[in-house]
Amino acid sequence: AQTVTQSQPEMSVQEAETVTLSCTYDTSESDYYLFWYKQPPSRQMILVIRQEAYKQQNATENRFSVNFQKAAKSFSLKISDSQLGDAAMYFCAYRSGSARQLTFGSGTQLTVLP
Amino acid sequence: GAVVSQHPSWVICKSGTSVKIECRSLDFQATTMFWYRQFPKQSLMLMATSNEGSKATYEQGVEKDKFLINHASLTLSTLTVTSAHPEDSSFYICSARERGPRVRWLAEAFFGQGTRLTVV
Repeated sequence: AQTVTQSQPEMSVQEAETVTLSCTYDTSESDYYLFWYKQPPSRQMILVIRQEAYKQQNATENRFSVNFQKAAKSFSLKISDSQLGDAAMYFCAYRSGSARQLTFGSGTQLTVLP
Repeated sequence: GAVVSQHPSWVICKSGTSVKIECRSLDFQATTMFWYRQFPKQSLMLMATSNEGSKATYEQGVEKDKFLINHASLTLSTLTVTSAHPEDSSFYICSARERGPRVRWLAEAFFGQGTRLTVV
């Protein structure tokens, strides 16, 4: 069974600084997708960024980028120029190519300090 | 992005009564919908997966008779918590996957805004 591990229950960052959230996963599949979701206090799940396993290039979405290390099964999220609105719970998620459902990590609570 | 609407956003019900939560995909057809339960400061726990026109697949440990799921159309799935008790109080979230994506990886799951259920 696939597992997703987020080893940082809480992180904090100064406004305008950069922070990296860690995620590792375990799978025997070769075809899969990885996601980072943000859950702000409203509790609406918002997709931040996604990565297809077959792509070597790291995904980037504005201030958000990932460091995808397939051999190490690592998928970290880097937030640059952190803003107060980035404060949220961040979940790493995995989906195999053949599966329908997502497997979520335990989440990292990010605090942005003014 | 695609929009998933979940209703109600919050509900309070008396112990022993049933409550229905709706999940609608507003601008796409959803072949598959998922229901999650989330406790405070914890991750999402998948309860069941439903496909339009067929029975839901429940995760181990989830009571089928307590959490009734109906996916009657490509745009609507409902979760009914039957004979609710205080321990059923939680945050319930639905998500939906689009039918027939043009590109596979676009078949991501879109989430509703969640329903906070309080059973008193």
